[in-house]
Amino acid sequence: AQSVTQPDIHITVSEGASLELRCNYSYGATPYLFWYVQSPGQGLQLLLKYFSGDTLVQGIKGFEAEFKRSQSSFNLRKPSVHWSDAAEYFCAVGSYSGGGADGLTFGKGTHLIIQP
Amino acid sequence: ETGVTQTPRHLVMGMTNKKSLKCEQHLGHNAMYWYKQSAKKPLELMFVYNFKEQTENNSVPSRFSPECPNSSHLFLHLHTLQPEDSALYLCASSQLAGHMAEAFFGQGTRLTVV
Repeated sequence: AQSVTQPDIHITVSEGASLELRCNYSYGATPYLFWYVQSPGQGLQLLLKYFSGDTLVQGIKGFEAEFKRSQSSFNLRKPSVHWSDAAEYFCAVGSYSGGGADGLTFGKGTHLIIQP
Repeated sequence: ETGVTQTPRHLVMGMTNKKSLKCEQHLGHNAMYWYKQSAKKPLELMFVYNFKEQTENNSVPSRFSPECPNSSHLFLHLHTLQPEDSALYLCASSQLAGHMAEAFFGQGTRLTVV
C-alpha cells in the first residue's frame, strides 16, 4: 500500500527566508505526486504536481518541488516566503488499484508559521 | 461560482439526527470524492464515484451513506453519528479517473456531533 510521510509537523520560518518542506513516499510503481496548501477554514488548493519528465516542477505562488526517486522524496521549496504563505501543506501520492477512479493518499501535513 | 461548492459550511447535529452534506462541482469532471479530515490525522479517503458509479468504499461505517445522482452532485447522508465523527468533510472532483487525476477541493463542511 502507498504511504506518505511528512516528518515535520511544524516549521517556523522568517519572512523573506527560504523554505523547504520534506515529503517521503512509499509506492510500488511510478508515483504521481502532488503538493496541496490549505489555509485556515478552507479547502485544499493544488500547488504543483509531478507525473513524469523533468524532476524539478514549478508551481503556483513561486513554489517548486524536486522528485528524487533514489530518496523517495518530493520536497517542496520556495526561495523567499511571504507572510501569506502561512498555512498547512500536504504532500500526496496518487493511488491506483487497477480499477476505476482512485483517490489520493495524503501525508499528515506540515504547519508553516511565518515570523515577521 | 467556485469550482467545487459544499453546503452547509458548518453543521452541528445530535447523535440521533439525520442530516445530509451536499457537494456540487461546476468543472465538468467525471469523478467525485469524499474525504474526512480529523485533527492530527491524514486526510482519509471515504468514497469515490466515477461516472456516478461508486468505485471505492474505504471501510466506512454504514452510518455514512453516499449518493451521486449525476456527475455534478454528490451527497453524504449522515445518521446516528458518534462524537468521534466530528471532523471537516471535504468533497473533491477530478477530470480523469485514476491516479493521475488532479483533485479540486471544496471548502469543506465542519461537522460537530454532540
